Amino acid sequence: EVQLVESGGGLVQPGGSLRLSCAASGFTFSSYWMSWVRQAPGKGLEWVANIKQDGSEKYYVDSVKGRFTISRDNAKNSLYLQMNSLRAEDTAVYYCASLEAVRYDYWGQGTLVTVSS
Amino acid sequence: QSALTQPASVSGSPGQSITISCTGTSSDVGSYNLVSWYQQHPGKAPKLMIYEGSKRPSGVSNRFSGSKSGNTASLTISGLQAEDEADYYCCSYAGSSTLMFGGGTKLTVL
Repeated sequence: EVQLVESGGGLVQPGGSLRLSCAASGFTFSSYWMSWVRQAPGKGLEWVANIKQDGSEKYYVDSVKGRFTISRDNAKNSLYLQMNSLRAEDTAVYYCASLEAVRYDYWGQGTLVTVSS
Repeated sequence: QSALTQPASVSGSPGQSITISCTGTSSDVGSYNLVSWYQQHPGKAPKLMIYEGSKRPSGVSNRFSGSKSGNTASLTISGLQAEDEADYYCCSYAGSSTLMFGGGTKLTVL
């Protein structure tokens, strides 16, 4: 059974940092591009970042460029999102998802990040 | 990187058909046949319903279908059922390994 389990969310002050993790199982993690997608409370989905299978290519939505870093460890079947200089507008549920030919086949349950003083 | 345009809400009675549109530009929806559609029930993760414009993943009902014309993609649900009530999102490849979601459409089954 495919599983993606996010962790690391929580309450953080504006300007602070947080590192999200996503543990993958049940599929060949190293064969997939992976993404982070977020959803602000009561709002729609927003693509945040993509990373290639070997980590050699990374892409970000403009609003997080220079503040967020996506990375992965294929030996640990894990995906990460380092979030720095957090803002109130980054408050959202963050999902990790596997990306196959521009479609998201598998999603995690999400982890909530709240940026507030 | 603006969101794709979807109607905020649509509704239909059981057994009827509805169509949700997703309008982009010639740089995203219009350039690639790479639109996917996701269903999201409250408090749940999204679920893939259609990919590459009109393909259905295994296990998704054939009541769900997708199409595209110009810069607009569409999701049609036929034979509406109560369990179809959910939020629906389109997603398109936008070039340079980036993706873009629509704003989402709330489907109400009357």
